Amino acid sequence: GENVEQHPSTLSVQEGDSAVIKCTYSDSASNYFPWYKQELGKGPQLIIDIRSNVGEKKDQRIAVTLNKTAKHFSLHITETQPEDSAVYFCAASIKAAGNKLTFGGGTRVLVKP
Amino acid sequence: EAGVAQSPRYKIIEKRQSVAFWCNPISGHATLYWYQQILGQGPKLLIQFQNNGVVDDSQLPKDRFSAERLKGVDSTLKIQPAKLEDSAVYLCASRSDSHSNEKLFFGSGTQLSVL
Repeated sequence: GENVEQHPSTLSVQEGDSAVIKCTYSDSASNYFPWYKQELGKGPQLIIDIRSNVGEKKDQRIAVTLNKTAKHFSLHITETQPEDSAVYFCAASIKAAGNKLTFGGGTRVLVKP
Repeated sequence: EAGVAQSPRYKIIEKRQSVAFWCNPISGHATLYWYQQILGQGPKLLIQFQNNGVVDDSQLPKDRFSAERLKGVDSTLKIQPAKLEDSAVYLCASRSDSHSNEKLFFGSGTQLSVL
């Protein structure tokens, strides 16, 4: 089955700096890659996603890149703010297999004011 | 639009007891998932429903876990008997089956502590 690895497990940045989280996946059939933000005591919240036919997608301060050949994708957060502090999860799924998400292990991001 | 509703928010039980969790997905979402999230880890799929039918329960420990979605809307997940290692957050998610819609929306989860 699919295996998703996520790095780093923790990330501390100064407010205003950029944060980058990287993920690799094992199943070349995966074609959908969402990113979730999880705050304490809450469920994961979808923040951005990308399909395999797209190499990059941006939404305000958040961007995701996908390299299908290398089977890795990354989340970039620019101009970080204290409210960006949370745990971020990458995931991968195969649409034809029911869109069951396989998650990475998570990255705890701390933005220091 | 209302989100995915789950209850209870917290549950504390002793090992060997039974427990049940409830989920009400977003209105109109035919696909429903239950995930288990152990502290410090990413969520792991337990079971997927399409309407009232099971699509995938290969990761569900069927000797103690069961789930149903009798009318294709609400779902319940049950553990009987519970073990210490079942302590986790149980997340419910739903997805619309409209064309090209892969987005999963999660509820806030039920935090289970087994003592």
